[in-house]
Amino acid sequence: KAGVTQTPRYLIKTRGQQVTLSCSPISGHRSVSWYQQTPGQGLQFLFEYFSETQRNKGNFPGRFSGRQFSNSRSEMNVSTLELGDSALYLCASSFTGDRTGELFFGEGSRLTVL
Amino acid sequence: AQSVTQPDIHITVSEGASLELRCNYSYGATPYLFWYVQSPGQGLQLLLKYFSGDTLVQGIKGFEAEFKRSQSSFNLRKPSVHWSDAAEYFCAVGISSGSARQLTFGSGTQLTVLP
Repeated sequence: KAGVTQTPRYLIKTRGQQVTLSCSPISGHRSVSWYQQTPGQGLQFLFEYFSETQRNKGNFPGRFSGRQFSNSRSEMNVSTLELGDSALYLCASSFTGDRTGELFFGEGSRLTVL
Repeated sequence: AQSVTQPDIHITVSEGASLELRCNYSYGATPYLFWYVQSPGQGLQLLLKYFSGDTLVQGIKGFEAEFKRSQSSFNLRKPSVHWSDAAEYFCAVGISSGSARQLTFGSGTQLTVLP
């Protein structure tokens, strides 16, 4: 079956703009998580959605938000972009999202903020 | 708070040599441990996971890892490295917040394989 699909794969924005990233999970998976990957901070958890509800949120400012739709697809939004938001944003899906559920990662959306 | 330490930022081995990547974790409860691999420009692929039971777990691509509770370690091993194993490797601990889960990752170990 198809894997986790993230769009767009690459994008360039300028400071102050906003961006929306999309993630389509594996069919049947109801949990979607988002991670930010940067050379300096590594992989950091942003948030996790399950059945359209945000269940868990990492330590990021309110400029980072997300949502999940009834078909489990998820979007994340970053408003008022800063240079430090340049990163690879990874989406991962799992069937249940509990501790034992394996995460399947997409290839990521690489955001560059100029 | 939970944390994962990968003490080796970069490791270089010759093709055919054995490999061990170190991982130490800090977590108050029973850990759920994972090793992921990331090739350039790609997402993360799960190599193996430990939830409970046998402390030696087998994964894909010939990798294995051993959970040692007394040392808070979950080191990744491979008896004979192939050139295609060159990538970045991440150790992670899964924690729960209510019914949800998040992974806390180590900083990664970059593996270079010499011909």
